[in-house]
Formats: sequence, C-alpha cells, structure tokens
Amino acid sequence: SQQGEEDPQALSIQEGENATMNCSYKTSINNLQWYRQNSGRGLVHLILIRSNEREKHSGRLRVTLDTSKKSSSLLITASRAADTASYFCARPSGTYKYIFGTGTRLKVLA
Amino acid sequence: EAGVAQSPRYKIIEKRQSVAFWCNPISGHATLYWYQQILGQGPKLLIQFQNNGVVDDSQLPKDRFSAERLKGVDSTLKIQPAKLEDSAVYLCASSLIGEVDTQYFGPGTRLTVL
Repeated sequence: SQQGEEDPQALSIQEGENATMNCSYKTSINNLQWYRQNSGRGLVHLILIRSNEREKHSGRLRVTLDTSKKSSSLLITASRAADTASYFCARPSGTYKYIFGTGTRLKVLA
Repeated sequence: EAGVAQSPRYKIIEKRQSVAFWCNPISGHATLYWYQQILGQGPKLLIQFQNNGVVDDSQLPKDRFSAERLKGVDSTLKIQPAKLEDSAVYLCASSLIGEVDTQYFGPGTRLTVL
C-alpha cells in the first residue's frame, strides 16, 4: 500500500488523559503533516513538521519526527471530548501531492 | 474567508446510475484536488488541477470517472456508471499555486451506491 501506517487504528481515552498516535513511512521525506477529521466533515490541517525539525508544538498538540526511524508521533495533551475525531498523517509524494495514512480514530470519553 | 464548498452533501444512487459532484474552491486558489475516501481509510487523490489543466490523474478510474474544471474555478467530478465499490466520501480541496502543503478541504460528499 502506498499509504503510511498509523497506529493504533483506534484509541479510546478519558477526558484529561493524553493521546498518542504514531505514523510510519517507508521513503525519505522532507516534511510530514497531521490532519484531523471530525465525523462527517472535511479534513483540517493541524501541523506540518519539516525533516530538519525533531519536534513542533501547537497549543495542546506536540508532533515529533524521527527521520532515522521513518516515524512521527502526534501527542494531544489534556484531551477533551471535542478532540474526538480521526487523525491522519500525510507525507509528500513527489513535488505536488501528499499521500494520507489510514488514520487513527480517537474517542475521548467525558 | 469562505471555505471550499461542495454539493450535494449526501447522495444515494443505484449501481449503474450516474452521479455528479460539484466543488467551488477558495477564491484565488488555482490548484484543486479531488480525493476519494473509503470508509476506514485515508483520502486517496483522484485528480489534481492547476487552473483548468490536469496535473495528476494517475489514480482516476478513467473508464467510469471524469472530472473537469472548465474555467479554472469550479469543478465537477462525475461517475458513470457507478459501482458498489464507489461508495465513499468525495473530498474536494484547494490551495494556492505551488502550495501543495497547505490544502483546504471541503466538507465532502458522501456517496452510497446500492
């Protein structure tokens, strides 16, 4: 499959806990993105991390990138019910398109 | 700023029927993308336009799918005839020219083929 691998496929946590999801890929990349998709909605861009960055923060989100292991992780701290969504990583393919992973379905229980 | 608009939001058809989806990108965005997202999977790029020219349609099943962007603004994606496996959400996205890493997605059209 040309899509990246994300794990876990599904994750259920209590409100206030942290959620970590991972993305692995096979070819060298110069950046990687994370998106969120709420049920029945389009995708919303969260963070882009470049290959020369190891970590990037945005509010309660923290993304890491390990190019030697060809993997990235997305950490959501102090999760809220509103964080319930599917999360996708996307890696560039060539110069003008991205390939999306299979996603992690996160459910945050109130 | 208005986002990417898509219509209809939902469509149910019988197999072998035809269906068309419409997308209006963000004003000024020259690049438009159509993605297919099957349940439980990530979006898969079907076709990418830059203005009214096709940049990539390598994963578009051309025997049944067609897309056009005649005036470099709105776009239509058509399926004729539809198969059961075409049931999916069809997402449209747009970006400024050369900014493929900053795509804005519409809400999608959920297609069910019976």
